Amino acid sequence: AQSVTQLGSHVSVSEGALVLLRCNYSSSVPPYLFWYVQYPNQGLQLLLKYTTGATLVKGINGFEAEFKKSETSFHLTKPSAHMSDAAEYFCAVTGKSGNYGQNFVFGPGTRLSVLP
Amino acid sequence: DGGITQSPKYLFRKEGQNVTLSCEQNLNHDAMYWYRQDPGQGLRLIYYSQIVNDFQKGDIAEGYSVSREKKESFPLTVTSAQKNPTAFYLCASSITQGVGYTFGSGTRLTVV
Repeated sequence: AQSVTQLGSHVSVSEGALVLLRCNYSSSVPPYLFWYVQYPNQGLQLLLKYTTGATLVKGINGFEAEFKKSETSFHLTKPSAHMSDAAEYFCAVTGKSGNYGQNFVFGPGTRLSVLP
Repeated sequence: DGGITQSPKYLFRKEGQNVTLSCEQNLNHDAMYWYRQDPGQGLRLIYYSQIVNDFQKGDIAEGYSVSREKKESFPLTVTSAQKNPTAFYLCASSITQGVGYTFGSGTRLTVV
């Protein structure tokens, strides 16, 4: 079984400040981890993903995340927030199992507000 | 360009009516999914399909039905048995189950 927790349903940062969105997971198999972004009334867009290899992964729009197995974490960061980063962010986990992978499990989401 | 198309974007349903939400993809993906999104509850899996003519219930399948007659299409019917259907519905697809979802832009269903 897998699960995802995202600490903080709402995070506010000032424009230009560091963005840190937290994601912790549990998984009985080696995890594949994802971050998605959702703008109002739109679908989800993939920001970045970790499957294997380098534990620090870079995504679109200047975001990056680091897979830390010992901490079961996959926190999302961006050095300098921009007004256009205001959106909802979802962390998701899945894992390779047999011929087919398991379905995604999504976290509850974190709404990011960027203050001028 | 390849992608997933959901229609309509907004849908209004009267009490007791069935409605069908469309989801079409031209990505040649094998697996397709339907999620329901409510404020503060994230995404909940309704149904998924790994291959044509096969589909499985997700976590909240009651009051919903699907079909997968073609690889490209995975329509969702919200039946009158679904007592609280007002929500944002998202369709997704992937090459194989669990790998890199691509999402549609969603359908917002409101009961009037």
